[in-house]
Amino acid sequence: GQNIDQPTEMTATEGAIVQINCTYQTSGFNGLFWYQQHAGEAPTFLSYNVLDGLEEKGRFSSFLSRSKGYSYLLLKELQMKDSASYLCAKPANQGGKLIFGQGTELSVKP
Amino acid sequence: EAGVAQSPRYKIIEKRQSVAFWCNPISGHATLYWYQQILGQGPKLLIQFQNNGVVDDSQLPKDRFSAERLKGVDSTLKIQPAKLEDSAVYLCASSLAGLAGASNPYEQYFGPGTRLTVT
Repeated sequence: GQNIDQPTEMTATEGAIVQINCTYQTSGFNGLFWYQQHAGEAPTFLSYNVLDGLEEKGRFSSFLSRSKGYSYLLLKELQMKDSASYLCAKPANQGGKLIFGQGTELSVKP
Repeated sequence: EAGVAQSPRYKIIEKRQSVAFWCNPISGHATLYWYQQILGQGPKLLIQFQNNGVVDDSQLPKDRFSAERLKGVDSTLKIQPAKLEDSAVYLCASSLAGLAGASNPYEQYFGPGTRLTVT
């Protein structure tokens, strides 16, 4: 199976740091995606980790541990516009099919 | 570069009626995906095409849903007849998967979606 688990919702304060965790069953293809989805909009790509470790991209960083089936998305210097749903997703076949988690609804408050 | 286009953006129908959604992927993308996203959940794949062939339709309710990508470019998803539980956003995405030498074939680009309400 490809069960993907992430928290349903989180709240953080503007300017702070937040970490959104994702766990998944370690079968099939490696690698993990993070997408951002604002309310009423399509998901947009944030990161793709295929190797273990931390990848930093501006205020956003993503970490992967393939052996543990664990990833997290780290958002620094939070801004109000970061309020969105964050979806973790895993490739399920060679053709690129993605299995998505339910999404973590992040609310950033002043 | 133009993104993934979808139409209509919104649709309201009564149960047992039919509806069709259209998607035009990014030019050159071999693989096209249709997802269903119910409110509060992540997208769920309905069907995946590579060029004009079906790669995966294991989660497509084939008694009422159908999809085609006849010329390997545009695609249409149809629901006939619709049920109340079909109310959702239908997302189309495309990727370079299936193209030799693609740098990141797994990255998918999503269209704006069609929000379907069945009453």
